[in-house]
Amino acid sequence: GNSVTQMEGPVTLSEEAFLTINCTYTATGYPSLFWYVQYPGEGLQLLLKATKADDKGSNKGFEATYRKETTSFHLEKGSVQVSDSAVYFCALDGSSQGNLIFGKGTKLSVKP
Amino acid sequence: NAGVTQTPKFRILKIGQSMTLQCAQDMNHNYMYWYRQDPGMGLKLIYYSVGAGITDKGEVPNGYNVSRSTTEDFPLRLELAAPSQTSVYFCASSSLRANTGELFFGEGSRLTVL
Repeated sequence: GNSVTQMEGPVTLSEEAFLTINCTYTATGYPSLFWYVQYPGEGLQLLLKATKADDKGSNKGFEATYRKETTSFHLEKGSVQVSDSAVYFCALDGSSQGNLIFGKGTKLSVKP
Repeated sequence: NAGVTQTPKFRILKIGQSMTLQCAQDMNHNYMYWYRQDPGMGLKLIYYSVGAGITDKGEVPNGYNVSRSTTEDFPLRLELAAPSQTSVYFCASSSLRANTGELFFGEGSRLTVL
C-alpha cells in the first residue's frame, strides 16, 4: 500500500535560515501529494499540494516539487520566520477511498 | 467563520467508560473524517462519511462507532474505553474527496484513558 516517510524532528532554526523538510513516498501509480501545517493550538490546514510529476506547489513562501524519479516531495523555504513555527505533515493519496495517508509530522521551531 | 468545531478539547476517562466526541461543520461539506494521532505517529483514519446516512470504516475502526444523521454533525462514540485509545482525535471535512480537495480540520480533542 501507499506510505509516506517524513524526516524526524524537531527542527530548530534561526530566523532567516533556509528550511528543508524531507518527505519520501511509496505508492502505486501517481498519487497527489500534500503538505499540511498545524500551528500551535489550531487544526491542520493545507499548505500546498501537487497533483502530478514535476508539479511545484507553493504557498506563503514554501515550495515543494513532485519528484517521481526520487519519489520525494521535500518542503523548502528560503527564509523562515518565527511565525513559521509549527508542525508540518506530508501526505499522499492513500486509497480508492480518496483518503490521505499522513506522515508523522515534523515540528519546526524558529528562534529570533 | 466557525469551520469545524470539536468538543471537548480535553477529556480524561477511566477504563471501561464510554463517551462521544462531537464534531460539527458549517461549510455544508459532504465528506467528513475522524483521525487519531498517537505520539510520534502520523494521523490514522478511524471512520469517514461521504454524506448524511453513509459511513464507512477507515484503517483503525475497532472500539469506535460513528453516525451521520445530518450533513453538519459527525459524532465519534467510544465504547468501553481502553488505554490504547489514549490519543489526539481530529475531525475533518471537505467538499471533495480528500485526495482532490482540501481537508478542513478541527483543533483536536485530547483523550486520556486511565
